[in-house]
Amino acid sequence: EDKVVQSPLSLVVHEGDTVTLNCSYEVTNFRSLLWYKQEKKAPTFLFMLTSSGIEKKSGRLSSILDKKELSSILNITATQTGDSAIYLCAPYSGNTGKLIFGQGTTLQVKP
Amino acid sequence: DVKVTQSSRYLVKRTGEKVFLECVQDMDHENMFWYRQDPGLGLRLIYFSYDVKMKEKGDIPEGYSVSREKKERFSLILESASTNQTSMYLCASSLNVASGTPTDTQYFGPGTRLTVL
Repeated sequence: EDKVVQSPLSLVVHEGDTVTLNCSYEVTNFRSLLWYKQEKKAPTFLFMLTSSGIEKKSGRLSSILDKKELSSILNITATQTGDSAIYLCAPYSGNTGKLIFGQGTTLQVKP
Repeated sequence: DVKVTQSSRYLVKRTGEKVFLECVQDMDHENMFWYRQDPGLGLRLIYFSYDVKMKEKGDIPEGYSVSREKKERFSLILESASTNQTSMYLCASSLNVASGTPTDTQYFGPGTRLTVL
């Protein structure tokens, strides 16, 4: 059965801190892994990772995939209060054509 | 710019009522999805559709049905709403692999928070 585990489930940091969010997966016919950020409403797309070891970067956010370890991390440097959100990890199963969502990590950044 | 819209942001219904949640996307995407999101359970797939008039059960289809009469519109139907269907409902869309571009990215609508009393 496909499975995704994100850790930690919640995190409270102060502005300026660096955080690392983890995602472990077991997915049949893995094809890619997506990260989303969800604030008050819809999840918004951050990254799609398909190859191991290649970092994707967008401003203060970066992410990398390790296919050998079946995991991915999302890093946020110099956090800001606007980074407060739920971060969702979702590997894509080529067999089923579905994204398998983790529970999410709730990040709160305090001023 | 991809746009996915949902008919209502907030909805309150009574137990036993028939409920329609509408989703429309304007990017000519073939694939459309309905999820529900509950605290501690993440996003769970209810139904999805790869084409007009085509539907596939997701992980939790019980108590729900869907309709895809037009490519841009995907409706979720609660035949007889129950209190355990109180949730946030999210619609998403994505391209089909036949279109030749990465299809894995799903674009989400703003969500409908449904309360069943």
